[in-house]
Amino acid sequence: DTAVSQTPKYLVTQMGNDKSIKCEQNLGHDTMYWYKQDSKKFLKIMFSYNNKELIINETVPNRFSPKSPDKAHLNLHINSLELGDSAVYFCASSQVTRETQYFGPGTRLLVL
Amino acid sequence: SQQGEEDPQALSIQEGENATMNCSYKTSINNLQWYRQNSGRGLVHLILIRSNEREKHSGRLRVTLDTSKKSSSLLITASRAADTASYFCATSNTGFQKLVFGTGTRLLVSP
Repeated sequence: DTAVSQTPKYLVTQMGNDKSIKCEQNLGHDTMYWYKQDSKKFLKIMFSYNNKELIINETVPNRFSPKSPDKAHLNLHINSLELGDSAVYFCASSQVTRETQYFGPGTRLLVL
Repeated sequence: SQQGEEDPQALSIQEGENATMNCSYKTSINNLQWYRQNSGRGLVHLILIRSNEREKHSGRLRVTLDTSKKSSSLLITASRAADTASYFCATSNTGFQKLVFGTGTRLLVSP
């Protein structure tokens, strides 16, 4: 039933670890996104994929690597986690780029 | 920075009152969208207004867009406690394949 789902919901880990966040959408959308929301609630786009092709890659450390195995999935792998990576990460999807986006519930990442 | 700014940063009202929040942006846009975020949840799309539209309504929501002033406003009429949330504007900027989100307005509606 859920339109855009993310796992896990919470992620607590140590500095230096590698972690992945998974995202799935069942809306049949062509475009998927990863956003980072910091402690001040600023929401910034990180990546966007359209039909499994990377179309947006903002200024993000290359420790972050998105992977889209198919149109319905967009995963985010983070290597060598740092304290500053602590944030809420949102996945979203849309049928058309720049139009209405549907957000997942978020993954709260805390790096200790 | 392309990020839009919202005003006020925080707004506290009583149930039944109207709430108005404003968004200013910097570049030419294709459309402007408003989203709501309840505490600890993802964003939910409320309304989209295109650059050639001036006003749009959806239920208790009224959105205006003034492209000459690069600004938009969201009016929530007859507010309810359930409207308590953060509200974000997002612009779809000409030439960029992404939305740029504003800084958000935190709305508190007290019973």
